[in-house]
Amino acid sequence: DTGVSQDPRHKITKRGQNVTFRCDPISEHNRLYWYRQTLGQGPEFLTYFQNEAQLEKSRLLSDRFSAERPKGSFSTLEIQRTEQGDSAMYLCASSARGGASYEQYFGPGTRLTVT
Amino acid sequence: KNQVEQSPQSLIILEGKNCTLQCNYTVSPFSNLRWYKQDTGRGPVSLTIMTFSENTKSNGRYTATLDADTKQSSLHITASQLSDSASYICVVGPGGFGNEKLTFGTGTRLTIIP
Repeated sequence: DTGVSQDPRHKITKRGQNVTFRCDPISEHNRLYWYRQTLGQGPEFLTYFQNEAQLEKSRLLSDRFSAERPKGSFSTLEIQRTEQGDSAMYLCASSARGGASYEQYFGPGTRLTVT
Repeated sequence: KNQVEQSPQSLIILEGKNCTLQCNYTVSPFSNLRWYKQDTGRGPVSLTIMTFSENTKSNGRYTATLDADTKQSSLHITASQLSDSASYICVVGPGGFGNEKLTFGTGTRLTIIP
């Protein structure tokens, strides 16, 4: 499968715990995006990378959230001290090139439930 | 504030019938408009992308239209199938160099019944 993959697909954690998600983009895609989607809503932009550089972060990305793409390939999204409001689907997408005209390919998402 | 509004919120139609979904946006500057299909619990899958100079684009039984003057778009589905049951999300791509933040609508939940 050469699409975008995410791991894990589901994560249940207790409030206050830290969680980390991984995204593997399509090979050779230099753009990688993270989105958050709550039930009944469309995805909301969190952050994006061009290769290993994090170029933009949304105000939604509080200090408890951190994202990395150390070698310009896979990326991780960590949430520290999780809160119930963090429960959502976390989507990753990748794109071959930058600019709003280029196709973004989405992964299946990681469903986070904070109890 | 950049916004994308979709209607209806939900729609139920019989298999084989046609339907049209609506999208209005206020994103400015504007570069392109996309329609995505999202099955429950899955990531969105692109159906069409239209730049501001395109009026219509088709992908099989899906046809999207765009009126950049009135900032409206529609997605028409012909001869619906049970597999068309999903959420359909309208997404606007911004203009401007280096601006890659897409704005998503909340989606229309389409249910096809046999």
